Parts: sequence; C-alpha cells; structure tokens
Amino acid sequence: AQSVAQPEDQVNVAEGNPLTVKCTYSVSGNPYLFWYVQYPNRGLQFLLKYITGDNLVKGSYGFEAEFNKSQTSFHLKKPSALVSDSALYFCAVRDRRSYIPTFGRGTSLIVHP
Amino acid sequence: EAGVTQFPSHSVIEKGQTVTLRCDPISGHDNLYWYRRVMGKEIKFLLHFVKESKQDESGMPNNRFLAERTGGTYSTLKVQPAELEDSGVYFCASSSQGNYGYTFGSGTRLTVV
Repeated sequence: AQSVAQPEDQVNVAEGNPLTVKCTYSVSGNPYLFWYVQYPNRGLQFLLKYITGDNLVKGSYGFEAEFNKSQTSFHLKKPSALVSDSALYFCAVRDRRSYIPTFGRGTSLIVHP
Repeated sequence: EAGVTQFPSHSVIEKGQTVTLRCDPISGHDNLYWYRRVMGKEIKFLLHFVKESKQDESGMPNNRFLAERTGGTYSTLKVQPAELEDSGVYFCASSSQGNYGYTFGSGTRLTVV
C-alpha cells in the first residue's frame, strides 16, 4: 500500500524567508511524486512532479522539491516566500503500476507580511 | 483547453435527501477520478473510470454512493440517502492515457445537515 505523511498541519513563515513544506512517503518500488496547491475557493492546482532523473525538481511559481530516496522524502521548498503563496499544499505519491495517487492531509502555509 | 468543470460548487442538503454531483473532464481525457476531502483530513480516493468503465471503485465508502460515466464523457456521483458524515469537498480529476499529470476541478462542497 502507498501512503503519504505531511507532518505539519500548518507552516508559518515571514515574507522573503525561505519556506519548506515537508512530505514523506511509503510506496513499493520507485515512486511518482507530486505537489498540488489549493488556494481559497479554488481547485487543486498542479505545482510539480518527480518521475525520474534529477532529484531536484523545479515547478510553478518558483517552487522546487527535492526527492530523497534514502529518507523517502519529497519536501517542497521556495527560496523566498510571498504572501500570495499562502494556501493549502498537498503532497501525493503513486507507485508505477497504479493510476491512483494517494494524497496527504495537506499543510496550510501562512506567509506573514 | 477548458479545464475540469464541477457543479454545483456548493450544495447544502438535509440528511436523507439525494444529491447528484457532476464532473465534466477535459475533452479527450479517458481517465476520470473522484476524490473526497473531509475537513482537515487527507484527500481520499473514491473511484477511477477509464472511459465509461469503472476501473477501480475500491474507495467508495458504501452503497449509498453511485457513480456513472455516460458514454465516457461526463460523470455523475449520486449520494442517496445522504448522511451527515458525507459532508466534505468532492473533487474530480482527469488525465489522458499514459499521462502522469492530473487536472483537478474546483470541487463541490457538500454539506449535509
């Protein structure tokens, strides 16, 4: 079975500071990993994915994530946070035999001016 | 390209009533997924269509939930009769064959009172 853990319900960061939203996963074999963002009253928007190749994946809006196989982690990062980054962030994992991604509980990111 | 469309965006119904949610995927996307998020919890998989066929319905909570996908186009998810615990946000997503990405709709927020 595949699973995702987002250990932080909420992350607070000051505007201009770097941010990290944590994600660890469990899956059989090599994973496909995803990050999605949900802004208030909006649907889930795709940010980035890891399929294969470079462990550092760059995505939309200046976000990036690092795949760490030994730690089974895929933390989301951004060098300089914006107030407009405040939203709910979901990590998801899929094994390579399945079409169905499993999502985490979500982490609320709050960027303070 | 039009995105995934879901309606209604909000629905408030009384316990015991019936509600039907609709999802229009991106044209040409064979894969259609339903997910549900209960407040503060993870986004949970409900079922997966490939064209008009149910590929995986292992996430459907019970037989009060019925999903259909007419002619492999739009899909409906009917809850009959609704219970309080059915409240949450129901997301629909679609993807094309062999694509690693999923496009989500804005969701339907269902409140059962």
